[in-house]
Amino acid sequence: GAVVSQHPSWVICKSGTSVKIECRSLDFQATTMFWYRQFPKQSLMLMATSNEGSKATYEQGVEKDKFLINHASLTLSTLTVTSAHPEDSSFYICSARDARGWEKGYTFGSGTRLTVV
Amino acid sequence: DAKTTQPTSMDCAEGRAANLPCNHSTISGNEYVYWYRQIHSQGPQYIIHGLKNNETNEMASLIITEDRKSSTLILPHATLRDTAVYYCIVRTYQGGSEKLVFGKGTKLTVNP
Repeated sequence: GAVVSQHPSWVICKSGTSVKIECRSLDFQATTMFWYRQFPKQSLMLMATSNEGSKATYEQGVEKDKFLINHASLTLSTLTVTSAHPEDSSFYICSARDARGWEKGYTFGSGTRLTVV
Repeated sequence: DAKTTQPTSMDCAEGRAANLPCNHSTISGNEYVYWYRQIHSQGPQYIIHGLKNNETNEMASLIITEDRKSSTLILPHATLRDTAVYYCIVRTYQGGSEKLVFGKGTKLTVNP
């Protein structure tokens, strides 16, 4: 089945530094990838949608300059949290849709737990 | 905003069928219903999706009402490992982009 690899699975960083999270589709090409954030005991919140080769579309209230998304290839999207602060600590999850069509469904990565200290 | 509403929590006895309801009364004609589940601190796992017809796979069955305003996910023989938060999602298009917007989900607890 379709597999999405997300790396790292957890990261601790100092306040003010930047962190990059990678999301790779291993056995399919993904024209569209999604980034979510999840706080404890809450549901997933969609942050942005990225399409290969074009700028990401951010949800209302999500700072595009703080959460940089790059989707340069059909198998890789990255989320960079710039100048991270403790309030950015959260569980970040990516999802990818098979380029062959949305009938194939959406596959989620295993998530990245970010802790900013 | 999510287009679905689900009960906050449900309990089920191991070995019995778990029936998880979902209301999506504002669904449009071309919008699919997806079901995912999330076990603590993991990424959501795909279960099933459908448009109009009932669907079945190795994990579950999806029953969609004729007016498409609600659906039910059926886990035929629940096991302890089915304890998770189950999300019913309507795939939408907004501003030319497709989206899977999660609601609050149903926390299913399977009891021995």
